[in-house]
Amino acid sequence: KAGVTQTPRYLIKTRGQQVTLSCSPISGHRSVSWYQQTPGQGLQFLFEYFSETQRNKGNFPGRFSGRQFSNSRSEMNVSTLELGDSALYLCASSGWDRGSWEQYFGPGTRLTVT
Amino acid sequence: AQKITQTQPGMFVQEKEAVTLDCTYDTSDPSYGLFWYKQPSSGEMIFLIYQGSYDQQNATEGRYSLNFQKARKSANLVISASQLGDSAMYFCAMRVKTSYDKVIFGPGTSLSVIP
Repeated sequence: KAGVTQTPRYLIKTRGQQVTLSCSPISGHRSVSWYQQTPGQGLQFLFEYFSETQRNKGNFPGRFSGRQFSNSRSEMNVSTLELGDSALYLCASSGWDRGSWEQYFGPGTRLTVT
Repeated sequence: AQKITQTQPGMFVQEKEAVTLDCTYDTSDPSYGLFWYKQPSSGEMIFLIYQGSYDQQNATEGRYSLNFQKARKSANLVISASQLGDSAMYFCAMRVKTSYDKVIFGPGTSLSVIP
């Protein structure tokens, strides 16, 4: 089956701008989670969407938001970018397959804020 | 509170040797799942192996096996016959049933395979 796709792969923005990242999950998976990875903080959970509803949210400011569409594709938006938002943003697609829960990650979007 | 601990920031192993990466976890939920992911320098997180809390046998996937000791709350990853391509960061992670699909990650262990 096709893997998780994320676009764009690389992005350079300036402080104060906003950015939208996209994630398409594995076919059949209804849950999409977003993570931020930085050298200093490691992998941190942002939020999780299931059937177009946010079910779970990490400890991030309101500048970070997301949504999920009826086809399970998800977008993440960061407004008023700060230098500290520079990170690798990973999207994970999860669901049940033959009785086992599985989670697969996309290749990530590397965001640089200057 | 749920937590994953990986006490080895960096590890070295000779090519073709076996290596064990440590992971301990903390949760009060009886139902949970433990994962190991590999992250090479490219950044992509690659799923390696999964162990459910009610699974009776240790999980194995090719050269990867998970040494699950429930009473000690440990889920160590064993890589047999290391290859140069195994050099990467390795993350232990946990999903608890009450947290929907939120997965908690450990800080990771950097593995370097020496020729």
